[in-house]
Amino acid sequence: GESVGLHLPTLSVQEGDNSIINCAYSNSASDYFIWYKQESGKGPQFIIDIRSNMDKRQGQRVTVLLNKTVKHLSLQIAATQPGDSAVYFCAENKGRAGNNRLAFGKGNQVVVIP
Amino acid sequence: NAGVTQTPKFQVLKTGQSMTLQCAQDMNHEYMSWYRQDPGMGLRLIHYSVGAGITDQGEVPNGYNVSRSTTEDFPLRLLSAAPSQTSVYFCASSYSIGAHSYNEQFFGPGTRLTVL
Repeated sequence: GESVGLHLPTLSVQEGDNSIINCAYSNSASDYFIWYKQESGKGPQFIIDIRSNMDKRQGQRVTVLLNKTVKHLSLQIAATQPGDSAVYFCAENKGRAGNNRLAFGKGNQVVVIP
Repeated sequence: NAGVTQTPKFQVLKTGQSMTLQCAQDMNHEYMSWYRQDPGMGLRLIHYSVGAGITDQGEVPNGYNVSRSTTEDFPLRLLSAAPSQTSVYFCASSYSIGAHSYNEQFFGPGTRLTVL
């Protein structure tokens, strides 16, 4: 598989527990944020997004929280499953609206323990 | 739909060789981009295009050229490969529907390039 996960922060989670992955972003003017999941040997896969006019958005088993005051983004995964084992990236839109120029964080490795 | 496709999946080059990484999408997306991914560094934007005939530089453009002659295709060219370009390359596309829209980017499976 890929060596994407080398030297990444790693979160080990028991199957069934909730996971929280944190991300600090750099640009206070960024107004769109995305979480991606990347499994070994594959391209990033969209999980959930949020615009800066929102504080929280929920999807299926996932919730994204945005704190613009401290430029912090988090992804919560409920009832973590073995298939959730992957590297998770946050990304911020640093371009103009409609010009999806994304800047990615370095990623967090999630390991689910059966 | 096939989504975003990339060829080749693997490539080994010698220093100084040139090659083109191919990327195609069949979703009629306006926006396409190229990223490189190195261990522990996330994805860095190389070049992007907001439509046919329009390209612009990203974060790490040196050593790479792009063109966008059609909506579907966005090839990435390495004119003279260097060991520092050993990486995994991802192409992505998204549907931009206006000045105030944001849309998720769909990624291809990647090309794993080694330059000796």
